[in-house]
Amino acid sequence: DIQMTQSPSSLSASVGDRVSITCRASQDVDNYLAWYQQKPGKVPKLLIYGASTLQSGVPSRFSASGSGTDFTLSISSLQPEDVATYYCQKYNSAPFTFGPGTKVDIK
Amino acid sequence: QVTLRESGPALVKPTQTLTLTCTFSGFSFSSSGMCVSWVRQPPGKALEWLALIHWDDDKYYNTSLKTRLTISKDTSKNQVVLTMTNMDPVDTATYFCARIQAYCPSGVCYYYYGLDVWGQGTTVTVSS
Repeated sequence: DIQMTQSPSSLSASVGDRVSITCRASQDVDNYLAWYQQKPGKVPKLLIYGASTLQSGVPSRFSASGSGTDFTLSISSLQPEDVATYYCQKYNSAPFTFGPGTKVDIK
Repeated sequence: QVTLRESGPALVKPTQTLTLTCTFSGFSFSSSGMCVSWVRQPPGKALEWLALIHWDDDKYYNTSLKTRLTISKDTSKNQVVLTMTNMDPVDTATYFCARIQAYCPSGVCYYYYGLDVWGQGTTVTVSS
């Protein structure tokens, strides 16, 4: 099975900072990579699919890139409402493995 | 509007079998390409993908859990059922179902969008 890793496991940044999270697949997943945001106590929410396409309604401060094995999620200007854990997931074929998550909070 | 809702027991005893139901609306397994997946999350831990069922009844499982999992569907009721045998306290988690869409020409499937709509989740505690 393809394994997914994320770095860092957590980060703390100031409001307005640009933050980036990296996701790496152990094998090529093409662009079948999704990012989810899970706020504390809430249901995961699809942010990005196809490695770089914003889901409808997601603020434009979120962006993502990558293909193959290396992917990045960026927040251009961190807002208090962005405090959450972010997960990547590969979905090129089953099993649809998630990464271990990156916890983002405000410094 | 697409919605999914999980239901099942809040408490199961070790060694018992867990049966969870995902009831959905806004789409149908009568439509080609519709799929439902199960995901779980132990308290304070990461998401773990469990299983997937296609509109045409193709099924896929988490490799490490596949001997314990069975996914099935009832197209007429718009339901997907997940059973997990031999429950253990480490299986204590919130269990979610979610939709994903696929296009499968010539036996190869291409999935759209990721898990685009999720249920609210149901919390299962395994304890004697």
